[in-house]
Amino acid sequence: GNSVTQMEGPVTLSEEAFLTINCTYTATGYPSLFWYVQYPGEGLQLLLKATKADDKGSNKGFEATYRKETTSFHLEKGSVQVSDSAVYFCALSDRQAGTALIFGKGTTLSVSS
Amino acid sequence: EPEVTQTPSHQVTQMGQEVILRCVPISNHLYFYWYRQILGQKVEFLVSFYNNEISEKSEIFDDQFSVERPDGSNFTLKIRSTKLEDSAMYFCASSPTSGNNEQFFGPGTRLTVL
Repeated sequence: GNSVTQMEGPVTLSEEAFLTINCTYTATGYPSLFWYVQYPGEGLQLLLKATKADDKGSNKGFEATYRKETTSFHLEKGSVQVSDSAVYFCALSDRQAGTALIFGKGTTLSVSS
Repeated sequence: EPEVTQTPSHQVTQMGQEVILRCVPISNHLYFYWYRQILGQKVEFLVSFYNNEISEKSEIFDDQFSVERPDGSNFTLKIRSTKLEDSAMYFCASSPTSGNNEQFFGPGTRLTVL
């Protein structure tokens, strides 16, 4: 079945450092890929998405590229801020509406000033 | 910007009691979902709902769970007889019929079973 594997956290960085959070997936067909973010005490917010191979999703300085050859969707940001401290979830789904999102375990990012 | 809302934000109940968690999906969305997140663990799919019936459910969604769209705006999750292990954050989500299954999540209801 479909699955998502994320790098274990927590990830601790200083402000303005470069961030990479690895995500790889197993899926049949061509899933849609997502990164969701959960700030402390809040719900899940869609950060970015990509729906086909070589697509790059981007938002708020974060980027991730859909790599079919390596089945990966790594999240990157060139310069993190304290306000980026949150839990980041990689997820996939079939592109058909109504199907379940399959989430990775989440990676906690802590950024200090 | 339209958003998914959920009530209550926190529910405390005794083991064996029934609880109903409520959600108002985004108004022009037609697919609705429930997920749960046990503290410190990953988000798990429970059920999806379309056209007044369940379209997909996980192994977690057993006979103790049910969903309903009682009117044109609300979407509810009922747990008939709560267990300690039902303590979790429950998220409602909705999605339109197009758009590659992008799902929009509510803020969650924290359920504590004592």
